[in-house]
Amino acid sequence: KQEVTQIPAALSVPEGENLVLNCSFTDSAIYNLQWFRQDPGKGLTSLLLIQSSQREQTSGRLNASLDKSSGRSTLYIAASQPGDSATYLCAVNNNAGNMLTFGGGTRLMVKP
Amino acid sequence: NAGVTQTPKFQVLKTGQSMTLQCAQDMNHEYMSWYRQDPGMGLRLIHYSVGAGITDQGEVPNGYNVSRSTTEDFPLRLLSAAPSQTSVYFCASRNGAGVNTEAFFGQGTRLTVV
Repeated sequence: KQEVTQIPAALSVPEGENLVLNCSFTDSAIYNLQWFRQDPGKGLTSLLLIQSSQREQTSGRLNASLDKSSGRSTLYIAASQPGDSATYLCAVNNNAGNMLTFGGGTRLMVKP
Repeated sequence: NAGVTQTPKFQVLKTGQSMTLQCAQDMNHEYMSWYRQDPGMGLRLIHYSVGAGITDQGEVPNGYNVSRSTTEDFPLRLLSAAPSQTSVYFCASRNGAGVNTEAFFGQGTRLTVV
């Protein structure tokens, strides 16, 4: 059974710092990995999707990497801003259907 | 540009009552699914569908029913609500054309069973 772990569970940084969020998974036979953002009381917003054949994806200040063989992904946020404060979730897709396995999330707070 | 729409946003039920959580998407996505989110447990898959008329169980299906009569709608039915079903429920959809398509989520339904 796939297990997804996110470390740290919570992170507090001053504005302007670059930071890295970590995601690890136990079964490397994945189709893709997706990073989401969740604001308090809201739904999930997709940030980046990395296919199993890709090493990284970039969107603005966000860069996600994937090392499938070691079961790891990182989300790099450059020049963090208070508006980046949210919970970040990673999810892996192990099959061609609809099975996403989620990590527990990292709650990020960026202080002004 | 509605995306995935869930109703209601909030609901309080008494133990034993039944209700249906609604989910609709306007992106013509084949794949739809329901997750529940609980503190310390993360998001877990309840049921999913790969197209109209096709549904299957996820990780935590007990106490829930689904049907998919149209591409757009995927309702989740609680047959006899229990306090253990207090949770936030999310519906998601994805384009089934290929395996590498993003999942889009609704805003969630916060359900309390008393």
